[in-house]
Amino acid sequence: EVRLVESGGGLVLPGRSLRLSCTVSGFTFDTFALHWVRQAPGKGLEWVGFLRNQNSGGTPEYAAPVKGRFAISRDDSKTAAFLHMNGLTSEDTAVYYCARESGGAYAFDIWGPGTRVVVSS
Amino acid sequence: HSAPTQPASVSASPGQSITISCTGTGSDVGSGNLVSWYLKLPDKAPKVIIYEVKKRPSGVPYRFSGSRSGTTASLTISGLRAEDEGDYYCCSYTSRGTWVFGDGTKLTVL
Repeated sequence: EVRLVESGGGLVLPGRSLRLSCTVSGFTFDTFALHWVRQAPGKGLEWVGFLRNQNSGGTPEYAAPVKGRFAISRDDSKTAAFLHMNGLTSEDTAVYYCARESGGAYAFDIWGPGTRVVVSS
Repeated sequence: HSAPTQPASVSASPGQSITISCTGTGSDVGSGNLVSWYLKLPDKAPKVIIYEVKKRPSGVPYRFSGSRSGTTASLTISGLRAEDEGDYYCCSYTSRGTWVFGDGTKLTVL
């Protein structure tokens, strides 16, 4: 079964850092790009960033609100991707999803259930 | 990158048809056939229902269809059913190599 599962969410103080993990199974991890998408309470979906697969250089791209604060990495040996979040503010409070980009279709075909991040003092 | 614009809400009765628009710019929706649509239910992960403007993933009913004209993409659902109720989002790849979601539409089946 193809699965993605996020972990690492929780309550964090403003200004602090947090690392989310996305563990995958059921498919060849290093051949797919992985994305992070979030949804703040009462708000819509927001694309956060992604990491290209190894064949495409394995480089990241980020949305403007998180560029310079967030970083995405992957560990192909552990079939996991990570979202490193620094300088967190209340605006980053959201459910964070990781999603697989379907090969060549520029769409997200498999999603994890999400992990909740609350930034509050 | 500003979010493509969608109507905040649409509603219709079972059996009717609805169309949700997604209006962007030449740098996103209008830049190519790389628009997808997602259904988001409360406390559930989003689910892709249309990709590359008009293609349906396996398992998505024929009642769902997509199209694009210029900088506006559209999702049409025909023969509405109660289980179609939820929040629908368009999403587009952009010329900057990023993605952007529309601001979402709440569909109510009366």
